[in-house]
Amino acid sequence: GQQVMQIPQYQHVQEGEDFTTYCNSSTTLSNIQWYKQRPGGHPVFLIQLVKSGEVKKQKRLTFQFGEAKKNSSLHITATQTTDVGTYFCAPRGGGSYIPTFGRGTSLIVHP
Amino acid sequence: DARVTQTPRDKVTEMGQEVTMRCQPILGHNTVFWYRQTMMQGLELLAYFRNRAPLDDSGMPKDRFSAEMPDATLATLKIQPSEPRDSAVYFCASGLGLVGAGATDTQYFGPGTRLTVL
Repeated sequence: GQQVMQIPQYQHVQEGEDFTTYCNSSTTLSNIQWYKQRPGGHPVFLIQLVKSGEVKKQKRLTFQFGEAKKNSSLHITATQTTDVGTYFCAPRGGGSYIPTFGRGTSLIVHP
Repeated sequence: DARVTQTPRDKVTEMGQEVTMRCQPILGHNTVFWYRQTMMQGLELLAYFRNRAPLDDSGMPKDRFSAEMPDATLATLKIQPSEPRDSAVYFCASGLGLVGAGATDTQYFGPGTRLTVL
């Protein structure tokens, strides 16, 4: 299966600072999904990216899919304490239906 | 508001005991996933069903784990015998099973079963 690396593993920020997590694959992807898991909760779907170079925004969250469809990023502008949680990428590629979840990036926001 | 339900929410058992975890997927969903989450390994896919048929269980230890879908409204994950290293949160997720690169096939996760094996 494809190898997925998500960095950083942890990120501490002061409230109001920006945050970015990156997801890198060893193979070309057909699409990539992003999920958020609050502490003690379960993963919740955020978005799916399909096209090369695609950029999607959800309020303060910006999602990008690389031109080569091998990497993706999630950027949060002006973090808030409600952004606390672990953000997972779940790429899908090689004709496989099954996504491979990254290890996630845990975001800690200090008020 | 349709949700995936899982029971029990918490389970504490002793090593060697059988554990059964249950999941009710969202009505109308035809794919079911079982995941195990630990700090060390992250979110691992254990089994995947489509239309109640197991399509992938390569991530599941076959000697002690088994996953079934007796009907479209119930998926089960059994561990027999359980071991301390099985302690984890087990998530079930369901989806519509949409295929194709452009399809948004969201996985809807249940609240999880927190398993502790002593």
